Amino acid sequence: EVQLLESGGGLVQPGGSLRLSCAASGFSFSSNAMGWVRQAPGKGLQWVSAISDSGGSTYFADSVKGRFTISRDISKNTLYLQMDSLRAEDTAVYYCVKRTDSIWYFDYWGQGTLVTVSS
Amino acid sequence: EILLTQSPATLSLSPGERATLSCRASQTIGTNLAWYQQKPGQAPRLLIYNASNRATGIPTTFSGSGSGTDFTLSISSLEPEDFAVYYCQQRARWPITFGQGTRLEIK
Repeated sequence: EVQLLESGGGLVQPGGSLRLSCAASGFSFSSNAMGWVRQAPGKGLQWVSAISDSGGSTYFADSVKGRFTISRDISKNTLYLQMDSLRAEDTAVYYCVKRTDSIWYFDYWGQGTLVTVSS
Repeated sequence: EILLTQSPATLSLSPGERATLSCRASQTIGTNLAWYQQKPGQAPRLLIYNASNRATGIPTTFSGSGSGTDFTLSISSLEPEDFAVYYCQQRARWPITFGQGTRLEIK
């Protein structure tokens, strides 16, 4: 059974940093591209970032480019999202997502972790 | 960036009725479109990919159609569990974008 378990969310002040983790199991993590999608309270879905299976290619939404970094540790089957210079508008539930076989849709989602940016 | 516009924002129907949801892209995207269902307090679930292919385990009551800029998600006969928010998503060009969602509510 595929499982994606996010952690690392919480309350952080504007300008602060946070690192999200996503522990993956039930599939070949090293062979699958991954990503992050967020949802602000009461709002719709927004794609944030993605990383190829090898980790050699990364992609970011313009709204987070230069502030967020995505990475993966194959030995730990874990995906990360390093978030720096956080803003109030980054407040959202962050979902870890698995890409479908070879195309950028998302067939598995974690339950999400809430990030709140507030003073 | 490709903008996806979903309509209507809210659709009120009764169980047993047919639902038709629309997603329009700001530029042509071929069939590079997916549909997701999200229930309150839950993560989204992939329903349809490449415009018309049902994802694993999705009942045949769900169907997708369209290409280019206009896409439709149809639910042939609504069950109580189908009332949720539905999103479309394009993968034709970076950045990946989602529509703003259609809320399907019980009339």
